[in-house]
Amino acid sequence: DIQMTQSPSSLSASVGDRVTITCRASQGISNFVAWFQQKPGEAPKSLIYAASHLLSGVPSTFSGSGSGTDFTLTISSLQPEDFATYYCQQYTSYPHTFGQGTKLEIK
Amino acid sequence: QVQLVQSGAEVKKPGASVRVSCKASGYTFTDYSIHWVRQAPGEGLEWMGRINPHSGGTNYSQKFQGRVTMTRDRSISTAYIDLTRLRSDDTAIYYCCLLGGQFNWGQGTLVSVSS
Repeated sequence: DIQMTQSPSSLSASVGDRVTITCRASQGISNFVAWFQQKPGEAPKSLIYAASHLLSGVPSTFSGSGSGTDFTLTISSLQPEDFATYYCQQYTSYPHTFGQGTKLEIK
Repeated sequence: QVQLVQSGAEVKKPGASVRVSCKASGYTFTDYSIHWVRQAPGEGLEWMGRINPHSGGTNYSQKFQGRVTMTRDRSISTAYIDLTRLRSDDTAIYYCCLLGGQFNWGQGTLVSVSS
């Protein structure tokens, strides 16, 4: 199975900050990475697919990049509603493994 | 609009089986695979498998092989996951979702396993 290692596991930041979450795959996966946001008590929400393609309705403050083994999710200016847990997922091969999550908290 | 609506919460005893349904609407049911993901209390997301609604073909995580079956009924645009021989560590929220073409999630179904 392909392992997806996210870092950091938790992060404290302030409104307006720029934050970056990274995800490293245990082997090359081209750009077959998706990113998700989950708020407490809610179902996950899909944000990005194919490493960098923002889904409709997702604010442009979110961006994704990377290819091969290293991927990043960047939020350019944190808004109060962005404080949540974020997950990456690879979908190049089965099982479609997730990273362990990054909890983004208000400083 | 695309919607995935799941069945209600279940409480089961160890060793029992559970079926969770996922009714799709707002798109052509056979166009996109439906994936199942679960989340144990306080834990991360775990991919369980997926079904191609057109062919019925499935791919399961090896972790659940032998205990999980994913099926669909095209006539009512509904996918199902059956999990057998339940254990306490199967207690989780089970989600169906679309992870290609469309990227929607169901609301989740809590399955509690306790004696």
